[in-house]
Amino acid sequence: SAVISQKPSRDICQRGTSLTIQCQVDSQVTMMFWYRQQPGQSLTLIATANQGSEATYESGFVIDKFPISRPNLTFSTLTVSNMSPEDSSIYLCSVIGEIAKNIQYFGAGTRLSVL
Amino acid sequence: LAKTTQPISMDSYEGQEVNITCSHNNIATNDYITWYQQFPSQGPRFIIQGYKTKVTNEVASLFIPADRKSSTLSLPRVSLSDTAVYYCLVAPRALNNAGNMLTFGGGTRLMVKP
Repeated sequence: SAVISQKPSRDICQRGTSLTIQCQVDSQVTMMFWYRQQPGQSLTLIATANQGSEATYESGFVIDKFPISRPNLTFSTLTVSNMSPEDSSIYLCSVIGEIAKNIQYFGAGTRLSVL
Repeated sequence: LAKTTQPISMDSYEGQEVNITCSHNNIATNDYITWYQQFPSQGPRFIIQGYKTKVTNEVASLFIPADRKSSTLSLPRVSLSDTAVYYCLVAPRALNNAGNMLTFGGGTRLMVKP
């Protein structure tokens, strides 16, 4: 298994500002993922972050809005840029603990409210 | 992508066995079925994974028929603390780097009553 720490756990931000969310893993992992979860809804994959390469974004998500960094095998950040109230959501990072088993381990999430 | 369909919600009582079914009619040969549990204000937590027939661990059992077009998560003797949302996810074990096979369905909201 893997232990994942996400910071901040929650934040309230003003429209037009940006927030960077950090994800720290207690072991080296190849694949890290960023999800968004609207209250009461399922998870939607934003992007895959692999160390040493550009993040791969899913349909509907773009790098200018959600820039991602992956400087090493234990850390990643997701920035929510130029925020609007529609960005209010829970943002979660996850990792694949064992690459051959496709079992994800999730952080507790960052609850973002944009005013 | 193998799309999944689950009941939106289920109610149960403490001590009962709960079975949650997930439909995945277009599952691919190399897809595995993975179930997650999510409590409020937490990220999903892995419960069980299987490919065919039956898998059992200390938490749950997973039943997969021969055609693999559905799967059933079985929770024995549920307690109030099993109240959560349960997701089934169908994807290959070996993901490509894009991870674009990770599509969560709507999940099933299980309410366990005393």
